[in-house]
Amino acid sequence: DQQVKQNSPSLSVQEGRISILNCDYTNSMFDYFLWYKKYPAEGPTFLISISSIKDKNEDGRFTVFLNKSAKHLSLHIVPSQPGDSAVYFCAASVAGNNRKLIWGLGTSLAVNP
Amino acid sequence: NAGVTQTPKFRILKIGQSMTLQCAQDMNHNYMYWYRQDPGMGLKLIYYSVGAGITDKGEVPNGYNVSRSTTEDFPLRLELAAPSQTSVYFCASTQGGTGFSDTQYFGPGTRLTVL
Repeated sequence: DQQVKQNSPSLSVQEGRISILNCDYTNSMFDYFLWYKKYPAEGPTFLISISSIKDKNEDGRFTVFLNKSAKHLSLHIVPSQPGDSAVYFCAASVAGNNRKLIWGLGTSLAVNP
Repeated sequence: NAGVTQTPKFRILKIGQSMTLQCAQDMNHNYMYWYRQDPGMGLKLIYYSVGAGITDKGEVPNGYNVSRSTTEDFPLRLELAAPSQTSVYFCASTQGGTGFSDTQYFGPGTRLTVL
């Protein structure tokens, strides 16, 4: 039972264009959502997060949008750069659940020069 | 500030051998986690700890044991290694407590192969 779903295993975009990575969830109790980036042979690194009381959070080239009614969030990267090529994981947590994160399977982003 | 460190980076075990994966953090975080990541899959929680002396099982605890005698260290023990334990293992930590986010910080991983 996959509570956090990333339905696109891979995505390819041109440098300078927008990358949109999507994530759906089923548990309405999730109240905090995070995106992590992972390069090969490295641990995941935190990218950006959003609380369920917001619908948008922006950090430089990265913006996360949350649509609670649709149980959907998306990560926008504008403009995309070749160094953004990595696997992106969506994760979610429920308040008070020992800070445990529930992870999606990841989307591999390739940004082509 | 080294963050989360893991040793070793790579290890090959024979079936039935045992080993301990080391994890340490210098951020004074209360919460620590062990995950495994199989090829093409997300992260699965093995064990976690909310403070020294307190540990609990995650989704996939079978074949593993943990201890947390200090805030800094959270070793993962594999007893009687099996090929199904071939994976990449990540340790993570977060502050925990009221007012803190759930953002976890990860180590670089240990790539384990059991033959």
